[in-house]
Amino acid sequence: EVQLVQSGAEVKKPGESLKISCKGSAYIFGSNWIGWVRQTPGKDLECMGVIYPGDSDTRYSPSFQGQVIISADKSTNTAYLQWRSLQASDHAMYYCVSLLSPEARVDNWGQGTLVTVSS
Amino acid sequence: DIQMTQSPSSVSASVGDRVIISCRASQSISSWIAWYQQKPGKAPKLLIYAASSLQSGVPSRFSGSGFGTDFTLTISSLQPEDFATYYCQQSNSFPITFGQGTRLEIK
Repeated sequence: EVQLVQSGAEVKKPGESLKISCKGSAYIFGSNWIGWVRQTPGKDLECMGVIYPGDSDTRYSPSFQGQVIISADKSTNTAYLQWRSLQASDHAMYYCVSLLSPEARVDNWGQGTLVTVSS
Repeated sequence: DIQMTQSPSSVSASVGDRVIISCRASQSISSWIAWYQQKPGKAPKLLIYAASSLQSGVPSRFSGSGFGTDFTLTISSLQPEDFATYYCQQSNSFPITFGQGTRLEIK
């Protein structure tokens, strides 16, 4: 069974930095794009960006360009989502996903990482 | 970005009912649409892809149709486990975008 396992819930203050992770199998990381999807408290789903771990080709949704950093380490089959300075509006659930291409359907979802940003 | 608009935003129905959820794209996406089911506290689950292809393991009471800009998800005979929130997603161009969701509630 394909699994994407995400790091645990985080509680941060505005202005703090954060890096969350998503670990998968060598098969998934060798042949798929890995993306991050934000689900807001209002339940909207938004694609933040995707990365191809094989060559680190990264695409950002215009809404998230410059706001976050997506990276991957193929040697450990781990993808990352990073913020340099969190804002209250970053409070959401973040899902790691796998796709066959940047514009494809989402085949697999991680269990989600809840990020709480509060002063 | 392509905008996906679902309707209704919520619907109440009874076990055994037939329910239809609609999704409209802001431009033609051919058959490049997927449908997901999300239950509280869980990640979404893929039900339908390429407008009408049933994902492995998904019951046949779920079906999808449409082409271009207008699409539907039909649940032919609601079961208790089907009460959840449903999302459409266009898989035509990056960034992928989702509808705002349809919450299916028990009447």
